[in-house]
Amino acid sequence: GAGVSQSPSNKVTEKGKDVELRCDPISGHTALYWYRQSLGQGLEFLIYFQGNSAPDKSGLPSDRFSAERTGGSVSTLTIQRTQQEDSAVYLCASSYNRVLDTQYFGPGTRLTVL
Amino acid sequence: GESVGLHLPTLSVQEGDNSIINCAYSNSASDYFIWYKQESGKGPQFIIDIRSNMDKRQGQRVTVLLNKTVKHLSLQIAATQPGDSAVYFCAENVPLRGGGSQGNLIFGKGTKLSVKP
Repeated sequence: GAGVSQSPSNKVTEKGKDVELRCDPISGHTALYWYRQSLGQGLEFLIYFQGNSAPDKSGLPSDRFSAERTGGSVSTLTIQRTQQEDSAVYLCASSYNRVLDTQYFGPGTRLTVL
Repeated sequence: GESVGLHLPTLSVQEGDNSIINCAYSNSASDYFIWYKQESGKGPQFIIDIRSNMDKRQGQRVTVLLNKTVKHLSLQIAATQPGDSAVYFCAENVPLRGGGSQGNLIFGKGTKLSVKP
């Protein structure tokens, strides 16, 4: 079946603007994760959704970052008032149930804040 | 800060040789470890995993070794091919106190593997 998809693949925005990044997980996967990857760095956990439970937001770097997951499927990561340090690749992953199930990653959205 | 790190940021090997990528972790309570491969412009791809009750697991051309005594994880790739060129990440899961697992993995910074033809 189809893997995790993300859109857009690339996003260039001006400092101070808001951006929305979208993730479509694998159908039937109840767990969804957002990560951030800066150039040459590892993955930084941002937020985790599991079914209908309250999301684990412990990795969000500031209150400018928020995420929603509608209907237990599609998720949107929103960054308000973007800053240059927000430039990174934002990766979404999903797994069947929870972290001990294999996470399947999307191709990522490359965000550039000018 | 990150509890998972790598001994070597870059590794260059000759095609056909075996590759060994190392990873150190700091949390003795970690109960699950994964290796991911990330090719340029793509998301990480699962390679192999291992649970803390094991010390070795083999896949196709890959073997993961876990040494809990020294908190060390390694990925061995047999007969390395040009298609193996990528950045390899190790990740660990630290369970919550009282049981259950954390909802996220802690990733290391990665090792870049370059395969020379």
